[in-house]
Amino acid sequence: EPEVTQTPSHQVTQMGQEVILRCVPISNHLYFYWYRQILGQKVEFLVSFYNNEISEKSEIFDDQFSVERPDGSNFTLKIRSTKLEDSAMYFCASSEAGIDQPQHFGDGTRLSIL
Amino acid sequence: GENVEQHPSTLSVQEGDSAVIKCTYSDSASNYFPWYKQELGKRPQLIIDIRSNVGEKKDQRIAVTLNKTAKHFSLHITETQPEDSAVYFCAASNPNAGKSTFGDGTTLTVKP
Repeated sequence: EPEVTQTPSHQVTQMGQEVILRCVPISNHLYFYWYRQILGQKVEFLVSFYNNEISEKSEIFDDQFSVERPDGSNFTLKIRSTKLEDSAMYFCASSEAGIDQPQHFGDGTRLSIL
Repeated sequence: GENVEQHPSTLSVQEGDSAVIKCTYSDSASNYFPWYKQELGKRPQLIIDIRSNVGEKKDQRIAVTLNKTAKHFSLHITETQPEDSAVYFCAASNPNAGKSTFGDGTTLTVKP
């Protein structure tokens, strides 16, 4: 069964540094998402992406965040000038069609800000 | 925006018993309601979903019911097994808003 893959599995970064989290969605999927899960808490929507542009973003997704699909397979989340509170698990997901379709999650990247 | 409330936050049952987890949502425009199972340190995995034009859906030991009028939906697990132990999240998806809102999660423990 095709899977969403994410790299790296764990990223440790100094506060104030930039970090890029990478995702390869399932190949025939058209909609891509990033979610955040702080340890022990719920999954929080960050952003949805379709047709090379952001469809929707949450209040968490402020100016320090950006997403990009640099080629035909990768989908990236960039966090500029990281803060301690950015420490969390970041999940990428994709779906064939829109937000009202089953989403497939990757294994996540655990981001630790020191 | 959408608000999803999930109860209970923790649930402990004996193996073989049934487990029920309930969620309410606030936005009547939400039309897709998935349930995810998340084992410790792993990805959320979709276990069942329901759309707003359906009242009930079943898949083996798992069922979901939806009451659109009352804006609540429930997950039912029958004949629970220790491997059902995990955190379960409900979510409500609004295609107009382009986002999914998750509940806070329920930690289910099935005691052998």
